[in-house]
Amino acid sequence: DTAVSQTPKYLVTQMGNDKSIKCEQNLGHDTMYWYKQDSKKFLKIMFSYNNKELIINETVPNRFSPKSPDKAHLNLHINSLELGDSAVYFCASSPQLDRATEAFFGQGTRLTVV
Amino acid sequence: GENVEQHPSTLSVQEGDSAVIKCTYSDSASNYFPWYKQELGKRPQLIIDIRSNVGEKKDQRIAVTLNKTAKHFSLHITETQPEDSAVYFCAVKGSSGSARQLTFGSGTQLTVLP
Repeated sequence: DTAVSQTPKYLVTQMGNDKSIKCEQNLGHDTMYWYKQDSKKFLKIMFSYNNKELIINETVPNRFSPKSPDKAHLNLHINSLELGDSAVYFCASSPQLDRATEAFFGQGTRLTVV
Repeated sequence: GENVEQHPSTLSVQEGDSAVIKCTYSDSASNYFPWYKQELGKRPQLIIDIRSNVGEKKDQRIAVTLNKTAKHFSLHITETQPEDSAVYFCAVKGSSGSARQLTFGSGTQLTVLP
């Protein structure tokens, strides 16, 4: 029943490793997003995808590479992890990019880089 | 890009009192203004939203007002209860280009004291 689901919920890894976070939505939405929430709770957009295509990349280091195999999935791969990448990463989806509608969030992935 | 400012960053009220959180935005073409509530360790969830053709919207104890001329909108919570304690985020969405995504304010930690 979960509308937007992410895995894993927790991820602890060492500096320099590569890791992936998966996201799936069963709402039939066209648009999916990745947000980063830092320790001060600030929610910052990273990527926006519409129908599998990258629309917006908000000055994110190229160590972060999103991939959308179909419009229901948006995965995030991170290379060469750094301490500053520690945060909670939220996937979200909305019906259409151009419509004034809410975004539905996944439960978040807490990434800790040690 | 869009710039959203949110105040105050923390707010403590006595149970039963009202709470008001304010946001300003920079892009006059923005047309969608949701408010999200995030409880500790949980995902952000929509509590109320307003579109640019409406000045005020109410849902039980919560209301949102929008002043498009001044480019600000506010969340009002009446008869606050301890379960209202959470972080509240305003957000703004536009209709073209990179504005077609939710840009969030910095959040307000609301504490309702019993």
